[in-house]
Amino acid sequence: GESVGLHLPTLSVQEGDNSIINCAYSNSASDYFIWYKQESGKGPQFIIDIRSNMDKRQGQRVTVLLNKTVKHLSLQIAATQPGDSAVYFCAETYSNNAGNMLTFGGGTRLMVKP
Amino acid sequence: DSGVTQTPKHLITATGQRVTLRCSPRSGDLSVYWYQQSLDQGLQFLIQYYNGEERAKGNILERFSAQQFPDLHSELNLSSLELGDSALYFCASSVFGGVTDTQYFGPGTRLTVL
Repeated sequence: GESVGLHLPTLSVQEGDNSIINCAYSNSASDYFIWYKQESGKGPQFIIDIRSNMDKRQGQRVTVLLNKTVKHLSLQIAATQPGDSAVYFCAETYSNNAGNMLTFGGGTRLMVKP
Repeated sequence: DSGVTQTPKHLITATGQRVTLRCSPRSGDLSVYWYQQSLDQGLQFLIQYYNGEERAKGNILERFSAQQFPDLHSELNLSSLELGDSALYFCASSVFGGVTDTQYFGPGTRLTVL
């Protein structure tokens, strides 16, 4: 399938290097944040989440950092691999939401050079 | 594979027509979500159902409607289609539909309106 968002910001990294993908969010009431990875022709895939009472959370090769003061979220990928090539989206939501309505950022395309 | 299935994979139709997109959630998930992904609007939340009841609503057009059936599958109906409705439509599901419930996305339906 074709990629959506042909004019996304792109981050190009060498295989084995660390990647940092940034996201600014706008709703100061947001208290739960998620990173999704979308490969070409597929749906978004959950990577890692973080609640607003934390400023850092680590997963397998990934770390999410949250700075509520400046409303900024980042995703760090250690030892980036070719399989990490995809579009990465941050998403936000808030606890007084009647349901679970995610608001997605515009996405960043990560390209890993072998 | 997220466990969420969507049919059809591709749909090509003409302006003014009506189509139905189908989603089966992961086994055990009670909540279903619909999102639209277009080049100019990115990933946008449309609507959420929980156990057959509407739970949250986004900027879903009046020409669009959805429902969740007793067997928990969901359908998104798009009518009076316009060229601008061409997009990827994703269904996601989660266990209960709360704010911190992980949403698992299906592979999407690509709708092309000619």
